[in-house]
Amino acid sequence: GQQLNQSPQSMFIQEGEDVSMNCTSSSIFNTWLWYKQDPGEGPVLLIALYKAGELTSNGRLTAQFGITRKDSFLNISASIPSDVGIYFCAGSQTGANNLFFGTGTRLTVIP
Amino acid sequence: NAGVTQTPKFQVLKTGQSMTLQCAQDMNHNSMYWYRQDPGMGLRLIYYSASEGTTDKGEVPNGYNVSRLNKREFSLRLESAAPSQTSVYFCASSEAPRDEQYFGPGTRLTVT
Repeated sequence: GQQLNQSPQSMFIQEGEDVSMNCTSSSIFNTWLWYKQDPGEGPVLLIALYKAGELTSNGRLTAQFGITRKDSFLNISASIPSDVGIYFCAGSQTGANNLFFGTGTRLTVIP
Repeated sequence: NAGVTQTPKFQVLKTGQSMTLQCAQDMNHNSMYWYRQDPGMGLRLIYYSASEGTTDKGEVPNGYNVSRLNKREFSLRLESAAPSQTSVYFCASSEAPRDEQYFGPGTRLTVT
């Protein structure tokens, strides 16, 4: 299947710090999605992006659809302990009947 | 509005046993999906149903079967469980293929 590369694989940050993570592909995507998964739960949709260059915010979270359509970025400002979890990117392509998921970025916030 | 529900939440099977994982959604979505999640592997698509009456294989379909019972329900069956099928299984739904998907809480399956 299509490979989405997420980086970093894991992050350890101090509470209050800002966080940046990204997702890249060798192919063009039409939609980029960002999910968060809390321990023991299913992934929850955070932000959906539909146009190249689009910048969308959801509270302290901001995501961008890369201008090349081959990447996307997620930023979290002023991190708090409840931001802990695994963040997944996902994308859709023309001709595919499902989403492709990245392998996730595991975020740990140190109080 | 419960979203996507899955039963059971936990299950332990012996090798060779069979079981069916149930999934239902109340969002009137057309498309439904089954994923498995293993440590460090992310989400891998097992089977999906783009619309009622259709099912297709995903990335890792071997050892599984599915049934799209109606628009709301999509079940996953393990006919003869193997230890390699120990995983967390997630069901998801979306309005249409390639749209944003909404996930259930997962079923944690252990095969001994």
